[in-house]
Amino acid sequence: SAVISQKPSRDICQRGTSLTIQCQVDSQVTMMFWYRQQPGQSLTLIATANQGSEATYESGFVIDKFPISRPNLTFSTLTVSNMSPEDSSIYLCSVDWGASGTGELFFGEGSRLTVL
Amino acid sequence: GQNIDQPTEMTATEGAIVQINCTYQTSGFNGLFWYQQHAGEAPTFLSYNVLDGLEEKGRFSSFLSRSKGYSYLLLKELQMKDSASYLCAAPFVGNMLTFGGGTRLMVKP
Repeated sequence: SAVISQKPSRDICQRGTSLTIQCQVDSQVTMMFWYRQQPGQSLTLIATANQGSEATYESGFVIDKFPISRPNLTFSTLTVSNMSPEDSSIYLCSVDWGASGTGELFFGEGSRLTVL
Repeated sequence: GQNIDQPTEMTATEGAIVQINCTYQTSGFNGLFWYQQHAGEAPTFLSYNVLDGLEEKGRFSSFLSRSKGYSYLLLKELQMKDSASYLCAAPFVGNMLTFGGGTRLMVKP
């Protein structure tokens, strides 16, 4: 299995500011994803972080709001830009660690953001 | 398109058996996952079914019927620590997992 470290684990942010979440994996992985989990809700995929190219965003998520970097196969960042209280969520980094083609995911511990 | 449905909440008694159902609709099937998520923690992988039938793993078993678009997670000999949310998920294009809304299971003494 992969060891996935996320930071910050939690933060309280002011409206209008931006915060960057970091995700570090202890092994090289091809597929890295960013999910959001709003209070009391299930996980929603924000985007696939592609190494060396622009991230692939899901419907309802845009690069200007959630810029993502993936400089190498072990690291990615997600920035939540111009935050509003609606962005208060847990943001989870995940990697595809299953056998080829299975899509089994391992998750980081998550970053709990509260926007005031 | 894709759609995954599961009950929102379930309650069961310690020591009992509980079955959590999941139905899915997808234009392309590539397996069905179950994850467990304790409150305040990240999800953890429980099981993966790609073929029809029952996969048993200790107290937890997962069943899949591809023709019916149906899966269930069976938890036996329930323990208090099994109180958690159970997420049904399926990978679609590019192995990107789409999650159901999750079933919050409460185990009572």
